[in-house]
Amino acid sequence: DGGITQSPKYLFRKEGQNVTLSCEQNLNHDAMYWYRQDPGQGLRLIYYSQIVNDFQKGDIAEGYSVSREKKESFPLTVTSAQKNPTAFYLCASSMGQGLRDTQYFGPGTRLTVL
Amino acid sequence: EDQVTQSPEALRLQEGESSSLNCSYTVSGLRGLFWYRQDPGKGPEFLFTLYSAGEEKEKERLKATLTKKESFLHITAPKPEDSATYLCAVQLFSSGSARQLTFGSGTQLTVLP
Repeated sequence: DGGITQSPKYLFRKEGQNVTLSCEQNLNHDAMYWYRQDPGQGLRLIYYSQIVNDFQKGDIAEGYSVSREKKESFPLTVTSAQKNPTAFYLCASSMGQGLRDTQYFGPGTRLTVL
Repeated sequence: EDQVTQSPEALRLQEGESSSLNCSYTVSGLRGLFWYRQDPGKGPEFLFTLYSAGEEKEKERLKATLTKKESFLHITAPKPEDSATYLCAVQLFSSGSARQLTFGSGTQLTVLP
């Protein structure tokens, strides 16, 4: 079955810790994205990558970092510099080309800061 | 500033009671408008993409329509399993090759048996 997997499903972080969220896709998609979702707000873009070894900041990149060493993987690190990291994190992927390009989402990781 | 506004924020329907959800947008250069369904604690599930005014798409009890300023998601004879949050998002030509989405805050639909 093709799809997007995220792990872990739940993650707890202590103040001052960095944590890494995993995102893997086997859809052979070129583009991958990280969004953050807070209650009552729309999804907001953190980072995106259109191709291996290249990525761009989204609207709320401060306190986050990413890497794209493989086409299938796009891990997100939430650093201690992120002031309010408690949120639901969603990874998405898309073909990344053509006029009609749809993003498909993974199941999400819920991060809680203790 | 590009904006996407969904209304109502929450909607409660009786089973079989048809209604519509609204997504209005003030953007320049709409490339596409997307509808997703999101169940609690899960990732959004893709429903439809609309690209030009007048376009309509249907899937089971759902029908999405698009005008130059808004989109409607019509739900005909809903069932309790249609209960979810429905998200609207726009993609702009100005995003270039990035194709990023700008989301509304969603409509939480509850269908009572």
